[in-house]
Amino acid sequence: KAGVTQTPRYLIKTRGQQVTLSCSPISGHRSVSWYQQTPGQGLQFLFEYFSETQRNKGNFPGRFSGRQFSNSRSEMNVSTLELGDSALYLCASSFTSQQTGELFFGEGSRLTVL
Amino acid sequence: AQKITQTQPGMFVQEKEAVTLDCTYDTSDPSYGLFWYKQPSSGEMIFLIYQGSYDQQNATEGRYSLNFQKARKSANLVISASQLGDSAMYFCAMREGTGRRALTFGSGTRLQVQP
Repeated sequence: KAGVTQTPRYLIKTRGQQVTLSCSPISGHRSVSWYQQTPGQGLQFLFEYFSETQRNKGNFPGRFSGRQFSNSRSEMNVSTLELGDSALYLCASSFTSQQTGELFFGEGSRLTVL
Repeated sequence: AQKITQTQPGMFVQEKEAVTLDCTYDTSDPSYGLFWYKQPSSGEMIFLIYQGSYDQQNATEGRYSLNFQKARKSANLVISASQLGDSAMYFCAMREGTGRRALTFGSGTRLQVQP
């Protein structure tokens, strides 16, 4: 059973550009969450989607957005990139939206903003 | 206030010995779940163990066990018989309430297993 797949794994952008990251969840999983990991702030929740609907959103500016498609694949977009957006962006999927369900994470997309 | 506190930035342990990684949490919600994840250098977060706030017994998964002390609001991870492959970052996380998926993570503990 394939795990959570994130693309691209590594990318470099410059300030002001925008970026789109993709996440393919485990087959059958309908919930996808995104997290940002930086050395200074640690792991922070961005947003969660379930059946194409955003269920929860973390405390991030509107430059961060996402969506989920009917096949449960998800994308997140960051516009007008800032140096501080350099981070590892992790996607996680789960089968249900129940509290006890574990999250399965991908290996992340490492974004560097120059 | 920090919701999840991991006070050990780094830990060393000898191979084959047991090690305890500390985690304390803060929540007023009676329903919550506590998780431990391992993050090797590849970046992927690997689920280790889960403890629900209403669970009566401490969770165990192979060499991993969770020492859950509800009154103290602590959820320490115990790794028995450490292996070289256990060297990684370990994160404690909490999910509060029902129907909410977002995890709040601690700052992590870097564990190094020495031969």
